[in-house]
Amino acid sequence: AQTVTQSQPEMSVQEAETVTLSCTYDTSESDYYLFWYKQPPSRQMILVIRQEAYKQQNATENRFSVNFQKAAKSFSLKISDSQLGDAAMYFCAYASNEKLTFGTGTRLTIIP
Amino acid sequence: EAGVVQSPRYKIIEKKQPVAFWCNPISGHNTLYWYLQNLGQGPELLIRYENEEAVDDSQLPKDRFSAERLKGVDSTLKIQPAELGDSAVYLCASSPGWGTGTGSYEQYFGPGTRLTVT
Repeated sequence: AQTVTQSQPEMSVQEAETVTLSCTYDTSESDYYLFWYKQPPSRQMILVIRQEAYKQQNATENRFSVNFQKAAKSFSLKISDSQLGDAAMYFCAYASNEKLTFGTGTRLTIIP
Repeated sequence: EAGVVQSPRYKIIEKKQPVAFWCNPISGHNTLYWYLQNLGQGPELLIRYENEEAVDDSQLPKDRFSAERLKGVDSTLKIQPAELGDSAVYLCASSPGWGTGTGSYEQYFGPGTRLTVT
């Protein structure tokens, strides 16, 4: 069974600084997808960024980028120029065979 | 485009009572998911529908939970009878369906229903 591990229950960062959230996963599949979702206190899960396993190039979406290390099964999220609105729970998720498996989340606090 | 709609947003019931949650997915999305999210945890899949067919309900506690997706659009998740341990957030998500094109593997989530069983 696939597992997703987020080893940082909580992180904090100064506004305008950069923070990196860690995620590792375990799988025997060769074709899969990885996601970072953001869940603010309102509870709405919002997709932040996605990465296809067959792509070597790291995905980037504005201030959000990933460091995808397939051999190490690592998928970290970097948030640049952190903003107050980035405060939320961040979930790493793995998808294969139409099933999405989530990690336990990292609570990100932005310090003004 | 409207997102995934869920109702109610909050529900408080006494144990042993029945409860139902409703979900309306994004128009055109063939795949619908129900997730359970406990406090401080990531969502866990309860059931997945492809159109009106439940293709993965292996994690659904069938003794008290049931779900339906008539006509392959809206879906209802029911608990009867509710237990104290059922207190959680119930999330609904939808996706266009795997293999239907770029981004079809992405899931779009509703705001969830927070259930409190007393």
